[in-house]
Amino acid sequence: NAGVMQNPRHLVRRRGQEARLRCSPVKGHSHVYWYRQLPEEGLKFMVYLQKENIIDESGMPKERFSAEFPKEGPSILRIQQVVRGDSAAYFCASSPDGGHSYEQYFGPGTRLTVT
Amino acid sequence: DQQVKQNSPSLSVQEGRISILNCDYTNSMFDYFLWYKKYPAEGPTFLISISSIKDKNEDGRFTVFLNKSAKHLSLHIVPSQPGDSAVYFCAVTGGGNKLTFGTGTQLKVEL
Repeated sequence: NAGVMQNPRHLVRRRGQEARLRCSPVKGHSHVYWYRQLPEEGLKFMVYLQKENIIDESGMPKERFSAEFPKEGPSILRIQQVVRGDSAAYFCASSPDGGHSYEQYFGPGTRLTVT
Repeated sequence: DQQVKQNSPSLSVQEGRISILNCDYTNSMFDYFLWYKKYPAEGPTFLISISSIKDKNEDGRFTVFLNKSAKHLSLHIVPSQPGDSAVYFCAVTGGGNKLTFGTGTQLKVEL
């Protein structure tokens, strides 16, 4: 039983480049969440998606950030024109339909470094 | 505006003793409370949860207590083991699927 998979685990980008972070949820889970952890801080909610739909993007910066969860394939968090302040660990989580959707299962994270 | 606070950034406990981690929240609309454990370079792992209709939930060595009037949540680990050394995050939600996390407490269990 594979858990939540994220790739790449580490990503280095220069300022102005694009970063694409991928997340494959637990098999059978249709709810995906993205969180960001800045150094010395807790995880901050960014966006909640179900297949082909964005349900809640209240934590997503208004510019440069976008997320999708297509019918087929992984969820993608895309950051355009990265800046140094985007350097953080980005975690994806998933939860199943029904049951306690509050109990989210996290991937290992992608550590983005912007130089 | 920090809605969830973990005021102790670190805690050191001897093996075999009780570890008590604390968490305070500000919004009385939160109705589900969780604890996650995180090792370096890994994602958080779900530990235990409690809904607002209860004041205690127990799972093996882990017990979570909820004091709604004080808006206070605590996690007790007994007996503490060296493998419990990690960062512990409390998280809350208010009916939606969005989790709001505290800043974490680094627990170190010493031999």
